[in-house]
Amino acid sequence: SQQGEEDPQALSIQEGENATMNCSYKTSINNLQWYRQNSGRGLVHLILIRSNEREKHSGRLRVTLDTSKKSSSLLITASRAADTASYFCAAPALSNTGKLIFGQGTTLQVKP
Amino acid sequence: EAGVTQFPSHSVIEKGQTVTLRCDPISGHDNLYWYRRVMGKEIKFLLHFVKESKQDESGMPNNRFLAERTGGTYSTLKVQPAELEDSGVYFCASSQVGAPDTQYFGPGTRLTVL
Repeated sequence: SQQGEEDPQALSIQEGENATMNCSYKTSINNLQWYRQNSGRGLVHLILIRSNEREKHSGRLRVTLDTSKKSSSLLITASRAADTASYFCAAPALSNTGKLIFGQGTTLQVKP
Repeated sequence: EAGVTQFPSHSVIEKGQTVTLRCDPISGHDNLYWYRRVMGKEIKFLLHFVKESKQDESGMPNNRFLAERTGGTYSTLKVQPAELEDSGVYFCASSQVGAPDTQYFGPGTRLTVL
C-alpha cells in the first residue's frame, strides 16, 4: 500500500510567490522526508522531520508535520525559477530497514 | 568524497534486449537500495542490500529483474528481457548501517524500452 500521497499533483506559480505541497500518509512513521528531483537529475534530500517535531525550517523551506492528521506540508517561500522540479515526500517503511515509501510527487513549475 | 554514481545515465534498448545498470555507492555504505520511477508515477522501492546480501527484494516486479552486489561494493541490476513497461528512471541509494534514514541518491539511469 502506498505510504505517501501528495497534492497537488502539479503546481504552476510565478517567481517570488510561495509554493505549498501537501503529503498524507497511512501508517505510523518515525520521520518524514522531502526530496526534490530536477528534470533529468537524481533525487536530492531536502529535509527530514521526525515524528516528535511539528515544524522545521531550512533556508526557504518550511516543513510541518501533523501526526494526528497523518499529513505533512512543504512550503517554499519566495520561489525561484530554479525551484522548478518534482517534489516527493517519503517515509521509512515500518520494517525499519531504511526502505523508503514515496508519494506520487508534486510537479512544481516556477515561471520567471 | 564521491557521491553515489550510476551508469549509464541513459539507455535506449529494444524490447526483448538485455540491459545492465550499475550503481557505485558511497564508500563504506553497507546499505544499498534500488528504486525506480515509471513515467508519471511514484518512486517505488525495488530491493535492499546489506553488503552483498539481499535484505529485502519485495519490490522486484518479476523474475526478469536480477540484482547483484558481489563483494558488497557496487551493484548491478539486469533486466532480461526488457519490456516496454520497464521504461523509467532507476535510482540507486546508499546509506550507513547505523543511519538508514539518511540515504544518498545517485543521479539515476533513464531506461527507455522501444
